[in-house]
This record gives sequence, C-alpha cells and structure tokens, in this order.
Amino acid sequence: AQSVTQLDSQVPVFEEAPVELRCNYSSSVSVYLFWYVQYPNQGLQLLLKYLSGSTLVKGINGFEAEFNKSQTSFHLRKPSVHISDTAEYFCAVSVNSGYSTLTFGKGTMLLVSP
Amino acid sequence: DAMVIQNPRYQVTQFGKPVTLSCSQTLNHNVMYWYQQKSSQAPKLLFHYYDKDFNNEADTPDNFQSRRPNTSFCFLDIRSPGLGDAAMYLCATSSRLAPQETQYFGPGTRLLVL
Repeated sequence: AQSVTQLDSQVPVFEEAPVELRCNYSSSVSVYLFWYVQYPNQGLQLLLKYLSGSTLVKGINGFEAEFNKSQTSFHLRKPSVHISDTAEYFCAVSVNSGYSTLTFGKGTMLLVSP
Repeated sequence: DAMVIQNPRYQVTQFGKPVTLSCSQTLNHNVMYWYQQKSSQAPKLLFHYYDKDFNNEADTPDNFQSRRPNTSFCFLDIRSPGLGDAAMYLCATSSRLAPQETQYFGPGTRLLVL
C-alpha cells in the first residue's frame, strides 16, 4: 500500500519569502502525485498534480512542485509567498494500477506573517 | 459555477442519536466520495459511489452508511454517533474512477457529538 509523509506540521514564513513544503511518498508501483490546499473553512482545492512527463509541475497561485523519483519526493515551492497563502497544504498519492484512490498526508500548515 | 455543496456546515448531535449529512453536486460527475478528517490528521476515505455502485473501505465502521438516490446527491448516515466520530466530513466528486483524476471537494460539515 502507498503512503505519504509530510515532514513539517507547520511552516512559519514571512511575506515575500520563498517557501518549500516537503512531501515524501512510498509505493512499490508508479504513482500519481497531487498537492491540495485547504483555506480556512473551505474544502480542499487542487493546486497541481504530476501524472507523467516533465518532473517540474506548475500549478495555480504561483506554486510549483518537482517530482524526484530517486528520492521519492514531491516538494512544493513558491518563490515569494503572500499573506493569502496562509492555509493547510496536503500532499496526496494514488498508484497507477487500476482502481486506486487518494492517500493523503497529514498536511502542513503554512503560516505567512507580515 | 459548478460546485460541490455540503449541508449543513456545522452539525451538533447527541451521543447515539442518528445523524445525516448531505452532499450535492452540479458537476454531473460519476463518482462521489466521503472522507472523514479529524483534527491534525489526513482526510480518510470512508467510501465512494461510482454511479450506483457502492464501495466501502475495508476499515470503515459499520456505523457509517451512505445513500446515493441520484447522480446529484449523496448522503452520509451515522447510525449511532460516538464521541470519536466528531470530525470534519468532506464530500468530493470526480468525473471518472481513475487514479489520475482530480477530485473536487465541498467545504465540509463539521460534526460535534455531545
């Protein structure tokens, strides 16, 4: 079975600073990888996903993530954060094998302060 | 705008008193999911419907049931809520049951059990 580890439960950062949210996965077969964002009192929204091809994936709101197969990682980055990026970020994986559903990590709370 | 709607946003129930949470979608998606999300934990899939076909996750307690009377609506029934069932319940949809599909989430219903 697949699993996801988000190494940081909280990441505090100042506005306009760069940020990286870390995600590692475990799977014995090839995977699809996702980042979802959950703003306060809202549902989860897709930021970006990796299915195949280029390992650098660009998403909404200036976020990007890089798939690294050898390190089994899919870290999320943004070069300059805004206050409005304060939210919980979830990494998720599904396996490329017939019927498969999403397995989520525990989430990382990004706290952006002025 | 096409969307996933959950009602109510907050639900208070008494220990042991049956409760029903509601989800509707205007996306005309074939698949509907229910997740349970406890504080500081990953969303956990309870079950999903692909059209009328119901799939229960192996570790979902019997206390949780679901109904999908038509494409647009899906209900989560908790027959005898315990204190441990207090959580955020998320409904999601996808157009296909495939591992690479994006899931679209509602805002969630927060359940409090007294």
